[in-house]
Amino acid sequence: AQTVTQSQPEMSVQEAETVTLSCTYDTSENNYYLFWYKQPPSRQMILVIRQEAYKQQNATENRFSVNFQKAAKSFSLKISDSQLGDTAMYFCAFMKHAGSNYQLIWGAGTKLIIKP
Amino acid sequence: DTGVSQNPRHKITKRGQNVTFRCDPISEHNRLYWYRQTLGQGPEFLTYFQNEAQLEKSRLLSDRFSAERPKGSFSTLEIQRTEQGDSAMYLCASSSPYSRQGGSDTQYFGPGTRLTVL
Repeated sequence: AQTVTQSQPEMSVQEAETVTLSCTYDTSENNYYLFWYKQPPSRQMILVIRQEAYKQQNATENRFSVNFQKAAKSFSLKISDSQLGDTAMYFCAFMKHAGSNYQLIWGAGTKLIIKP
Repeated sequence: DTGVSQNPRHKITKRGQNVTFRCDPISEHNRLYWYRQTLGQGPEFLTYFQNEAQLEKSRLLSDRFSAERPKGSFSTLEIQRTEQGDSAMYLCASSSPYSRQGGSDTQYFGPGTRLTVL
């Protein structure tokens, strides 16, 4: 069975700083996807970034980038030039890319607070 | 693309009552998922549909829970004889293996239905 671990329950940084959120996972699969989603207070789950396991190049989306270390089963999210609107719960999630079920396996989340 | 919608957004019910939630996925998405999220936790998978077929159910989905997707479009999740432990946010997501935006099988979420059982 797959598991996802986020070891930082809460983090806070000053606006404009860079912050890195950690995620590790455990799987015996070779083909899978990894995701970061954000969930602002009282708002819906929003996709931040996605990484295919077969790709060596780390995914980037504007101020968001990942450090994907497949051998170490590590998938961290870096947020550059943080903004007040980045305040949210951030969830790391795993999805197998095989079989008939594409469910997401989730970490417990990291609460990120951006301070003005 | 109008996104995933869920109704109602909030539901308060008394223990023992039945409740039904609705999810309308993104129109071209053939895969639909239900998750449950309790306060301060990550979501937990409940069930998955591909078109109208329910292909996977979690052991979390007791016999009081039933989900349908009758024509492969919208889906309903019914909870019978609600218990206080059912209080949670119920999330619906949809995906497509052919989606270009966001990549194939990336799941997009609705706003959720928050259930409170008194």
